[in-house]
Amino acid sequence: DIQMTQSPSSLSASAGDRVTITCRASQSIGTHLNWYQHKPGKAPKLLIYASSNLQSGVPSRFSGSGSGTDFTLTIRSLQPEDFATYYCQQSYSIPRNFGQGTKLEIK
Amino acid sequence: EVQLVESGGGLVQPGGSLRLSCAASGFTFSSYWMHWVRQAPGKGLVWVSRINTDGSSTTYADSVRGRFTISRDNAKNTLYLQMNSLRAEDTAVYFCARRDQSNNWYYFDFWGQGTLVTVSS
Repeated sequence: DIQMTQSPSSLSASAGDRVTITCRASQSIGTHLNWYQHKPGKAPKLLIYASSNLQSGVPSRFSGSGSGTDFTLTIRSLQPEDFATYYCQQSYSIPRNFGQGTKLEIK
Repeated sequence: EVQLVESGGGLVQPGGSLRLSCAASGFTFSSYWMHWVRQAPGKGLVWVSRINTDGSSTTYADSVRGRFTISRDNAKNTLYLQMNSLRAEDTAVYFCARRDQSNNWYYFDFWGQGTLVTVSS
């Protein structure tokens, strides 16, 4: 199984800040990497697929990059609605493992 | 509008059974692979199971294989998860998710809001 490791596990930031979350795969997954945003009591939301492709309707302040084993999610100019938990997920093989999540909190 | 609505969660004793449902609308259900993902209290997302478009192929996480069964009824636009021999560690919110793809890249583009399963005596 491919293990996904995110860092940091939690992050405090202010509205307007630029933040970066990293995700590392235990083996090369090419660009088979997705990012999701999850708020308590809500359905998770797809942000980025195939490492860098912005899902339709997602604001352009979200961006993703990386290939192989190392990936990043960047949110520039944080908005109040961006405070949530973010997960990476590999779609290279089954099981479709997720990272442990990064909780983005208001400073 | 794509909608996925889970139901069937509740409190069940260890060793018991429960069947979850995921009602789909707003898209051609029979054209999409579907998945179940769960989230234990205070924990992250964990992939559980998947099923292909006609139900002929299924895959499970090691933690549930042999106890859980995923199925679908395309005539009713509904996905199911039959959960048997439930354990305390199965306590979680269970989400259904639609798998879409772009070329050879796969992702879960729509999710339900989840249904809570609590396994406790």
